[in-house]
Amino acid sequence: AQKVTQAQTEISVVEKEDVTLDCVYETRDTTYYLFWYKQPPSGELVFLIRRNSFDEQNEISGRYSWNFQKSTSSFNFTITASQVVDSAVYFCALSENNQGGKLIFGQGTELSVKP
Amino acid sequence: DVKVTQSSRYLVKRTGEKVFLECVQDMDHENMFWYRQDPGLGLRLIYFSYDVKMKEKGDIPEGYSVSREKKERFSLILESASTNQTSMYLCASSPGGDPNTEAFFGQGTRLTVV
Repeated sequence: AQKVTQAQTEISVVEKEDVTLDCVYETRDTTYYLFWYKQPPSGELVFLIRRNSFDEQNEISGRYSWNFQKSTSSFNFTITASQVVDSAVYFCALSENNQGGKLIFGQGTELSVKP
Repeated sequence: DVKVTQSSRYLVKRTGEKVFLECVQDMDHENMFWYRQDPGLGLRLIYFSYDVKMKEKGDIPEGYSVSREKKERFSLILESASTNQTSMYLCASSPGGDPNTEAFFGQGTRLTVV
């Protein structure tokens, strides 16, 4: 069965701290896609990144970086030098082949960045 | 700018009422989805559609139905609203034929059933 687990329900940090959000997934498929979305207080989910199962390259985008490790079925997300505007709920999600947009979400991690 | 628009941000309905949640996308996407978001459970898929007049059940379809008469519009219907359907509902769309693509989400409808 497919499953995504975000074990951290809530994280609170002080501005400028680095923070890592964990994501562990389960799937039997060899081809799959992983996503991170951000949900600010306004409610709309904002796409951050996607990775397919054949691309284990880590990615950095500004203060955001992602570490994809198939060996541990993890796709962790790190925010460097966090800012108050990073406060949001973050979701990790899994999509299997031929199911574009049909996502299995983790429970979400609520990040609070305090000034 | 691409858009998925849900007709209401907040909705309060009475138990037993028939409730319609509307979603419109302007990206000419084939795929549309309805998710329900509850604390501690993340988002769960209710129904989805890969084409006009086509629908498929997601993980939690009980108590819901959908309608897709036009490509751009996907409606979620609560036939007889119950208090356990109080939740945040999110609509999404994505292009057809490409699994390596993100879904675009609406702003959500927070439904309260009293």
